[in-house]
Amino acid sequence: KNEVEQSPQNLTAQEGEFITINCSYSVGISALHWLQQHPGGGIVSLFMLSSGKKKHGRLIATINIQEKHSSLHITASHPRDSAVYICAVRGSGGSNYKLTFGKGTLLTVNP
Amino acid sequence: GAVVSQHPSRVICKSGTSVKIECRSLDFQATTMFWYRQFPKQSLMLMATSNEGSKATYEQGVEKDKFLINHASLTLSTLTVTSAHPEDSSFYICSAQRGGGNQPQHFGDGTRLSIL
Repeated sequence: KNEVEQSPQNLTAQEGEFITINCSYSVGISALHWLQQHPGGGIVSLFMLSSGKKKHGRLIATINIQEKHSSLHITASHPRDSAVYICAVRGSGGSNYKLTFGKGTLLTVNP
Repeated sequence: GAVVSQHPSRVICKSGTSVKIECRSLDFQATTMFWYRQFPKQSLMLMATSNEGSKATYEQGVEKDKFLINHASLTLSTLTVTSAHPEDSSFYICSAQRGGGNQPQHFGDGTRLSIL
C-alpha cells in the first residue's frame, strides 16, 4: 500500500508570496494528481502528471520519479488560492487504478 | 468539459432514514465511478468502485448492504445509505472516469450528510 505524505500540513502566506507544497510517496506510481478542495468541499483536479513538469497559469507541478517526490508551486499567491491542496497517487500495473490520497495541506493566503 | 454533478449537496435527516445520493457525468460517458467518504480533517477514503452494468467493488470494511451502489448507465451512479445512523454522518464525494487505465478522475462537489 502506498503511503502519501504531504508537507506542510498548514501554511499561511501573505498575498504575493511564492508557495511550495510537497508530496512524497513510498511505492512506484503510474500518475500523481494535485487536487484543490475548497471550504464547501468540492474538489477540482489541478494536474495529473507522471513525469517532468506542468504549468497552468500561476500553478506549477513537478515530479521526480526516482525520488518519489512531487511539488506544487503557486506564484504570486492570492487570497482566492486559500484552500486545501491534496496530493493523490495512482498505483502502477494491472488493475491498480485506485487513488491513494494525502491528508492535504491547508493553505491560507492573507491579503 | 468533464463536469460531474452530485446531488443533493446537503442532507439532514433522522436516524433510520435511507438517503440516496446521485452522481452524474454531464458531458462524458463514465466507464467507472468512485465513491469516497471524508471525515473532518481526514483524507478521502475510497468506499467502492462501480463500473456501468456490473456490481460495485467495495473496499475492505465497507458494508455493501449498508451502502448500496447502482451504476445503471454510463452517466449515472447512485449511492444509497440505508437505515442511516449518526455514525454515517460524513462528507460523501463521487468521481467519474472516462475509460480505463490512467484516465483522470473528475470529482463532484460532494454531499454533506448529517444524521440526527
